[in-house]
Amino acid sequence: EPEVTQTPSHQVTQMGQEVILRCVPISNHLYFYWYRQILGQKVEFLVSFYNNEISEKSEIFDDQFSVERPDGSNFTLKIRSTKLEDSAMYFCASIGQGARYNEQFFGPGTRLTVL
Amino acid sequence: AQSVTQPDIHITVSEGASLELRCNYSYGATPYLFWYVQSPGQGLQLLLKYFSGDTLVQGIKGFEAEFKRSQSSFNLRKPSVHWSDAAEYFCAVGAEGRRALTFGSGTRLQVQP
Repeated sequence: EPEVTQTPSHQVTQMGQEVILRCVPISNHLYFYWYRQILGQKVEFLVSFYNNEISEKSEIFDDQFSVERPDGSNFTLKIRSTKLEDSAMYFCASIGQGARYNEQFFGPGTRLTVL
Repeated sequence: AQSVTQPDIHITVSEGASLELRCNYSYGATPYLFWYVQSPGQGLQLLLKYFSGDTLVQGIKGFEAEFKRSQSSFNLRKPSVHWSDAAEYFCAVGAEGRRALTFGSGTRLQVQP
């Protein structure tokens, strides 16, 4: 069964460093999302992406964040200068063109630890 | 703005007992409703979804949920819990147009032998 994949599974970085989290959505999906989950808290929406542009973003998604679909398969989240509070699990999700119920398929997540 | 409330932070049940996890939502139109399960260190797996039609929906792993518009609820149920059901359960609401999902804060389920 097709699935969303994410790499790396765990990323450790120093405060102020740039990180890029990678996602490979399901191959025929066209809508892409990033969410994050700070340890012990709820899953929060960051950004959605369709047709090579951001379609929706939350207040969390400030100028430190950017997303890109550099090729036909990858979808990336970049954090330019990481802060301690960026430590969280980051989930990628995608939806197919014909999805009837807005059902989002989630990847396994990347745990980001900022020291 | 849409919102989801899961009133129970932590629930403990005995194996074989029945389970009901509560979810209340706030949304102006007919919502898309979802239950996801997250095992420790894992991603989010969709258990079931509701948009329209029969208000009792069946999902994977023997779970079901009932949509009650009058109560703005979408409670998750299972008649007999297995030890492998121990996990965190998230209720989520979505809108049309492939908008972002809004998640509740989750309910952690512990299963006693």
